[in-house]
Amino acid sequence: DTGVSQDPRHKITKRGQNVTFRCDPISEHNRLYWYRQTLGQGPEFLTYFQNEAQLEKSRLLSDRFSAERPKGSFSTLEIQRTEQGDSAMYLCASSSTSRESYEQYFGPGTRLTVT
Amino acid sequence: KQEVTQIPAALSVPEGENLVLNCSFTDSAIYNLQWFRQDPGKGLTSLLLIQSSQREQTSGRLNASLDKSSGRSTLYIAASQPGDSATYLCAVMSGTYKYIFGTGTRLKVLA
Repeated sequence: DTGVSQDPRHKITKRGQNVTFRCDPISEHNRLYWYRQTLGQGPEFLTYFQNEAQLEKSRLLSDRFSAERPKGSFSTLEIQRTEQGDSAMYLCASSSTSRESYEQYFGPGTRLTVT
Repeated sequence: KQEVTQIPAALSVPEGENLVLNCSFTDSAIYNLQWFRQDPGKGLTSLLLIQSSQREQTSGRLNASLDKSSGRSTLYIAASQPGDSATYLCAVMSGTYKYIFGTGTRLKVLA
C-alpha cells in the first residue's frame, strides 16, 4: 500500500492557461474523489468516480473543469482557461466499496497558483 | 443539505493543557465522521474515524466521540504539545459517500 499520490505537487500558471493534474489512487480502491480547498476553508467536494464512471459532480465544477478516470485506475483533473479564483489546493482521495467503513485516504494535494 | 460547523475557529493554549475541539452537523444520517489534521500548506492526515454505529475512538492522546442524535462530535487532546499545533478538520460522510468538511479549528500550543 503506497498511498494516494498526486502530481504535480505545485503548479504556477498564468491566467488563461490550461492545467492538468494527475491522481494515482491506492491500487485496489475503486472509488476516487476530487476536492478543492481554498485558503482558510475546509475542502469542498468536486466530483467522484466509481471505477471509470463519474457518478457525481458538484455545482462547483464549472464547464471549464473536466475529470476523467480511464480504465478505472488513475484520474486526471483538467482546468481550462484558468482564472485567479481557481487558485487552491486540489486534493484527491480514494476508497474501497468492499470496506464497510467507507474511509477515504487522501493524497498530498496539488497546490495551484494562478497569476 | 448537510452542514458542518467547527467551534472554536482558533485556539491558543499553553503546553500541557487538555483541550476539546467541537464539531456539529445538521443531518444525523451519516455513514461516518473523521477527524483530520492539516499542517500549513500540506495535505490531510487522518487522525480518527468513527463509524455511525460507534460512540468513540481513541488513539494515543486523542479521543473522539460521536453523538449522532444531537449532531455532535468532540475531539479531546490530552496533555497538548507544541507539535500538536495545526488545523484540525472534522468531516462527515453522508448521502452519496462524499465528505462534507467543517472550516477547521486552528490550534496553537505555546511552549
